[in-house]
Amino acid sequence: ELKVEQNPLFLSMQEGKNYTIYCNYSTTSDRLYWYRQDPGKSLESLFVLLSNGAVKQEGRLMASLDTKARLSTLHITAAVHDLSATYFCAVVVAGNQFYFGTGTSLTVIP
Amino acid sequence: DTEVTQTPKHLVMGMTNKKSLKCEQHMGHRAMYWYKQKAKKPPELMFVYSYEKLSINESVPSRFSPECPNSSLLNLHLHALQPEDSALYLCASSQIPGQGTYGYTFGSGTRLTVV
Repeated sequence: ELKVEQNPLFLSMQEGKNYTIYCNYSTTSDRLYWYRQDPGKSLESLFVLLSNGAVKQEGRLMASLDTKARLSTLHITAAVHDLSATYFCAVVVAGNQFYFGTGTSLTVIP
Repeated sequence: DTEVTQTPKHLVMGMTNKKSLKCEQHMGHRAMYWYKQKAKKPPELMFVYSYEKLSINESVPSRFSPECPNSSLLNLHLHALQPEDSALYLCASSQIPGQGTYGYTFGSGTRLTVV
């Protein structure tokens, strides 16, 4: 059974602090995606990681992929309130099926 | 056009009603998907269409019936739903694997409430 687990599930952090969200998956996959979802809204694509060792950065967010360890990380630098949302990783199986991680609900406190 | 359009945005239906959700994209994507998302949970894959043919049905109850009339349209027909089917229903599309770097484009979703 495919498992895509994120850690932590809930994260409350102060503005200006750094933190890392982890995404572990149980099957072979050579690509991984990170999405953001605001309450009641759809999913916004953040990063596409296509190969082992891939690192992408956008603003205060940086994502990396280790396909050997079946691990992706989403690092938050100097958090701001606007980053409060739920973050999902998703792995691709059988070419085009996305399976989402358990989600991390992030709250940034002033 | 880089969007996936879903209608309606909100739907309230009784357990004996028949309704349909609609999804449309004009990006030339030949794979389309339905996902169901309950509150505070990740999206769960329901159906996958590739080249207008149903390729994946993730053991979804028959009260949900997908239809792909053409390469731009995807419908989800609903009949005799239960209150536990209340959720956000997301449509997505993508290129076919092997046709370049692709990801999903998600629609804004239909918030369904079954009463």
